Amino acid sequence: ILNVEQSPQSLHVQEGDSTNFTCSFPSSNFYALHWYRWETAKSPEALFVMTLNGDEKKKGRISATLNTKEGYSYLYIKGSQPEDSATYLCAFNFGNEKLTFGTGTRLTIIP
Amino acid sequence: ETGVTQSPTHLIKTRGQQVTLRCSSQSGHNTVSWYQQALGQGPQFIFQYYREEENGRGNFPPRFSGLQFPNYSSELNVNALELDDSALYLCASSLGAGVYNEQFFGPGTRLTVL
Repeated sequence: ILNVEQSPQSLHVQEGDSTNFTCSFPSSNFYALHWYRWETAKSPEALFVMTLNGDEKKKGRISATLNTKEGYSYLYIKGSQPEDSATYLCAFNFGNEKLTFGTGTRLTIIP
Repeated sequence: ETGVTQSPTHLIKTRGQQVTLRCSSQSGHNTVSWYQQALGQGPQFIFQYYREEENGRGNFPPRFSGLQFPNYSSELNVNALELDDSALYLCASSLGAGVYNEQFFGPGTRLTVL
């Protein structure tokens, strides 16, 4: 069974603070890792598609790193804002059409 | 550019009934994937359609079936509904079925089976 695990399950962060969370995946047969942000009552929004070991991608205050050899990716949010409150999902692609999702990290920003 | 849309938004059915959920893909996208998200879990892959053909299936029984139309919109059909089928059903479209293609999600259909 190939699992994708995310930690922590939930997180409360003071507005203005920076935070990060983890996605762990099997290190063999890696093809791609996707990060999504999912706000309540909206569609999941793609943040990054990461493919190469050592990849680092950035979108505004959000960035992500990838280590395929040890099987993890970190998502960082710098200077958290209330609009960052969402569930952050990672999804692993084993080289076929299927994305295998983690259960997500629910982030709440406290004003 | 129109995003991915799904209908209906919410649906209540009883055990044993059949249901059809619909998804309109983003303009220019030829691939649609369907996912089921049960409470407390991440989305689980049901199947994918690429150019009107099924292109891979997850661990779901045959009573979950689908279609993709020439305009690349798609339907998910579930027969003989069970209580455990209560979930949020998401569809995602992409430009191609490749592993690196970004998938664009709709807002989902919430199905409740009583």
